[in-house]
Amino acid sequence: AQSVAQPEDQVNVAEGNPLTVKCTYSVSGNPYLFWYVQYPNRGLQFLLKYITGDNLVKGSYGFEAEFNKSQTSFHLKKPSALVSDSALYFCAVRDLGGNTPLVFGKGTRLSVIA
Amino acid sequence: GAGVSQSPSNKVTEKGKDVELRCDPISGHTALYWYRQSLGQGLEFLIYFQGNSAPDKSGLPSDRFSAERTGGSVSTLTIQRTQQEDSAVYLCASSLLPSGTGNQPQHFGDGTRLSIL
Repeated sequence: AQSVAQPEDQVNVAEGNPLTVKCTYSVSGNPYLFWYVQYPNRGLQFLLKYITGDNLVKGSYGFEAEFNKSQTSFHLKKPSALVSDSALYFCAVRDLGGNTPLVFGKGTRLSVIA
Repeated sequence: GAGVSQSPSNKVTEKGKDVELRCDPISGHTALYWYRQSLGQGLEFLIYFQGNSAPDKSGLPSDRFSAERTGGSVSTLTIQRTQQEDSAVYLCASSLLPSGTGNQPQHFGDGTRLSIL
């Protein structure tokens, strides 16, 4: 079975500081990994994905994520946070060889303080 | 725009009533998904339609929940005899390729906020 853990319900960071939102996963095979962002009263927006290749993936709005197979992690990062980055972030996983929808974490609320 | 469209955006109804939620996927997307988002619970998978294959209904929480996808496009999620615990945001997503055989991301609508009184 596939699963995703986002260990932090809330992350607070000062504007201009680097941010990290953590995600660990469990799949039986090789993973497809995704990050989504949700703003209030909106659906989820795709940020970035990891399929194969470079462990560092770059996505929208200056976000990037690093795939670490040995630690089964896919942490989301940004070098310099903006107040407008404040939102709910979801990590998601699907087994590369499976035929199932994405499994989502419970989400992490990011607050960037001016 | 050309995104996933859901209606209504908000629905308030009395306990015991039936409700229908609608999803218009992105044109050409063969896969369609319904999720439920409850406060503090993340996204709960409900049902998945992939082209002409039988839908994956493994996430439906009870037999009061059902969904259809007509003509491979529009989908409706029906909840019969609603209960207060059904209150949540119901999100629909679609993707370009069938899940599992491709790596296309799912594109989400803005959801229907359902409140059961």
